[in-house]
Order: sequence, then C-alpha cells, then structure tokens
Amino acid sequence: NAGVTQTPKFRILKIGQSMTLQCAQDMNHNYMYWYRQDPGMGLKLIYYSVGAGITDKGEVPNGYNVSRSTTEDFPLRLELAAPSQTSVYFCASIRGGTDTQYFGPGTRLTVL
Amino acid sequence: GQQLNQSPQSMFIQEGEDVSMNCTSSSIFNTWLWYKQDPGEGPVLLIALYKAGELTSNGRLTAQFGITRKDSFLNISASIPSDVGIYFCAGSYSNAGGTSYGKLTFGQGTILTVHP
Repeated sequence: NAGVTQTPKFRILKIGQSMTLQCAQDMNHNYMYWYRQDPGMGLKLIYYSVGAGITDKGEVPNGYNVSRSTTEDFPLRLELAAPSQTSVYFCASIRGGTDTQYFGPGTRLTVL
Repeated sequence: GQQLNQSPQSMFIQEGEDVSMNCTSSSIFNTWLWYKQDPGEGPVLLIALYKAGELTSNGRLTAQFGITRKDSFLNISASIPSDVGIYFCAGSYSNAGGTSYGKLTFGQGTILTVHP
C-alpha cells in the first residue's frame, strides 16, 4: 500500500491563480481530511469528507473548495490564490470508527 | 472552537535526558492523541488515549489522559538524537451517541532538539 499520497510536493502560485492539490489513499478509508499548517502553529482543519459525495467545512474553509467523487480521491481546490494561503497542506484519512489519522507527506504552497 | 495549549513551545536537551510536555484544553475531549512530525513529513501517530486516567506506553514514550479530560501529558525517557522533531497533541470530542467524524483539534506543537 502507498498509504496517503499528495501531489505536487511544492508549488509557487501568483496571486489570483488557481490550482488543485491532489490527495489519494489506497487503504479504502471512508474519512478524509485537509489541513493547513502555518509556521509555529498546529494543523487546522479546512474540509473533511465522510464518504464519496459527502463533504463538510472544517475550521478554516474560506478560499477553498473540495469534492469527493470516489473513496480514494479528495482534491482541494484554490480558486483565487492569496498570500494568506501560503502554507503547508496535509491530507489525511482514517477508517470510520477510529481516530488514527494517516497523513500524507504534504504540499508546500507559496503564493506571491 | 476548541483550543489546545501545548507547552513548552520548544526544548533543547542533552542526549539521555528525560522530556516532559503537556497539553491543556478549555473543554473536555474523549480522545487524546500524540503525534510526531519529522522535517518535511506528515505527522505520525505515537500514542492514542481513550479513557480519563489512562496511562499508555510505547517504548520510551509514556502518555497520560488527564482525569479532568482537559489535559494530557507525554514523557520521553532517555532521549536519543532521532527523537528530534515536532510533537503535537490532538484531541477529539463527540457527544454521547454521536460521532466526532474523526475531526481533531491540534496543539501548536513542541519543537524538540536533542544535543548528542
């Protein structure tokens, strides 16, 4: 199993550009999450999904969108990139009924 | 929303020393988790705690779920250079009969540096 994979690993965007951060897991986990991690801070939840077709907002959803068309994939979309979205983004997944989140390696995004 | 305060923010210790860090919350949690993050990587789960008062070990790591359900502690004994990294506490809460959907609230992290 590859676990949780994320692409790209690094990206630089200009203000106003859009992009999609990809996340995939091959563990057949129902629940998936997107977090952002700012320097010196813990992880903050952006969006989560409890299954294909079901998504909900986390603590800091503004400026982001998600979709979950399959169990495996949970992409995060930035429509109009802003400098405040410069951060490291982590995707995670768990099997329903547990709390053990498996994290991907992260995507480091810089918006200039 | 719920907030977790983790302390200390950073620690510089000598190899072989013991380490203690803690996490406090303004509200109760049902589950406390401790993660470690290496540079350039995602967090990895170290210990999970599910009951107030629970004390759990994983090798040289020991963690406790506070009796009040508002705090947790992590101890590392006889530190080694590979213990270097950022340690995060995280908690989840669900009402009786409900579910947290696995959503976690994270502390700010403790940066651990171990000098050989």
